[in-house]
Amino acid sequence: AQKITQTQPGMFVQEKEAVTLDCTYDTSDPSYGLFWYKQPSSGEMIFLIYQGSYDQQNATEGRYSLNFQKARKSANLVISASQLGDSAMYFCAMVDFRLRADSWGKLQFGAGTQVVVTP
Amino acid sequence: GAVVSQHPSWVICKSGTSVKIECRSLDFQATTMFWYRQFPKQSLMLMATSNEGSKATYEQGVEKDKFLINHASLTLSTLTVTSAHPEDSSFYICSARFPARGSQYFGPGTRLTVL
Repeated sequence: AQKITQTQPGMFVQEKEAVTLDCTYDTSDPSYGLFWYKQPSSGEMIFLIYQGSYDQQNATEGRYSLNFQKARKSANLVISASQLGDSAMYFCAMVDFRLRADSWGKLQFGAGTQVVVTP
Repeated sequence: GAVVSQHPSWVICKSGTSVKIECRSLDFQATTMFWYRQFPKQSLMLMATSNEGSKATYEQGVEKDKFLINHASLTLSTLTVTSAHPEDSSFYICSARFPARGSQYFGPGTRLTVL
């Protein structure tokens, strides 16, 4: 069974600083994908970044980068140069690509980390 | 990116009534859609996987007779909360899986309040 762990319930970060959000996962399957989503107070889920288990390089998308350490089963999100608009809930999620076709793509989410960016 | 809509965005209903929530993929065909439930300050919990033309697959602990899912077309899945009670009040979010690519796109969510 999969399991996603986010150990930081909440974090304060000052504007323009970098912040790292922790995510560890547990799976016995070799083929999986890791996602980070942002959920502002409006409730919409905003996709940030994706890392495949076979990807050799760490994923980057603008100010977001994923520190993927496969042996440690960790997929930490790094937000560089934080902005006030980054204040939101952040979720780490995993998909198991070996599920049968009708369940393919099923995401399991971590508990989330609430980030507050201060001026 | 692909667009997924949900309707309504919020709904208030009386206890005992049924509420239908629609999830539409606007610019792609989605053979698979997912329904999640989120309580305040908590994570998303998968309720069921909806596949076009077949019965939905429910997660453990989710009452299939209470949460009826219909995926009648490649662009529409509906979730009906039957005989709603105050404890069903929650934020319901759907997502649609982009075929082949496997990416998942989320709807904006529906906030249900049962009085």
